[in-house]
Amino acid sequence: QSVLTQPRSATGTPGQRVTMSCSGGTSNIGGRPVNWYQQPPGAAPKLLIYWNNRRPSGVPERFSGSRSGTSASLAISGLQSEDEADYYCAAWDDYVGGWVFGVGTKLTVL
Amino acid sequence: EVQLVESGGGLVLPGGSLKLSCAVSGFTFSASGIHWVRQASGKGLEWVGRMTGKADNSATAYGESVKGRFIIHRDDSENTAYLQLNSLQTEDTAIYYCVTGLRDLRNEMAVWGQGTTVTVSS
Repeated sequence: QSVLTQPRSATGTPGQRVTMSCSGGTSNIGGRPVNWYQQPPGAAPKLLIYWNNRRPSGVPERFSGSRSGTSASLAISGLQSEDEADYYCAAWDDYVGGWVFGVGTKLTVL
Repeated sequence: EVQLVESGGGLVLPGGSLKLSCAVSGFTFSASGIHWVRQASGKGLEWVGRMTGKADNSATAYGESVKGRFIIHRDDSENTAYLQLNSLQTEDTAIYYCVTGLRDLRNEMAVWGQGTTVTVSS
């Protein structure tokens, strides 16, 4: 069972805005920044959002992240077919002394 | 362009050992942390462990499921990191990704390799 809780699936249509959540606790999200990773089918993961809401160069502005208390969320606006992927949140956990991942949310673009 | 190339994966018997390598190019990674993350077929990501860069005392930390069995080390002169896997169990079967930090994100999982597959089976 993952320390960080994510919904298993999300769906959207092209052009739509979708959000996905990541819930943790005081030892991780509540006190540490959250990163988000995108993993397209058959590919390696890629850093999408770091330190809660910052985008690495090359990541489109339509991807955004936020954190409030012990939860974080990822929003994708102007959904595109190539956004179909698994999305994972991750944070350092002071209690376990290591990084923890969410179970991942599988985004389907209809 | 920063690139990470893992190698050393393969088929190993339960109880056996394996050593994975991660060759890093495109930047000098001595100041950056190096992580290993694994993913069993059809499953999510699991953090295996990390070693920080020299500036952070090359400190190691490991996930609970591999603690005492897996060891991370690095050769900064060769821009290469390693993961020594000992006492392997069938549950260790997975794709193993090498991940490095970069610049301001030196301790984050910023840049990922393509992974190498480890299969533990009799």
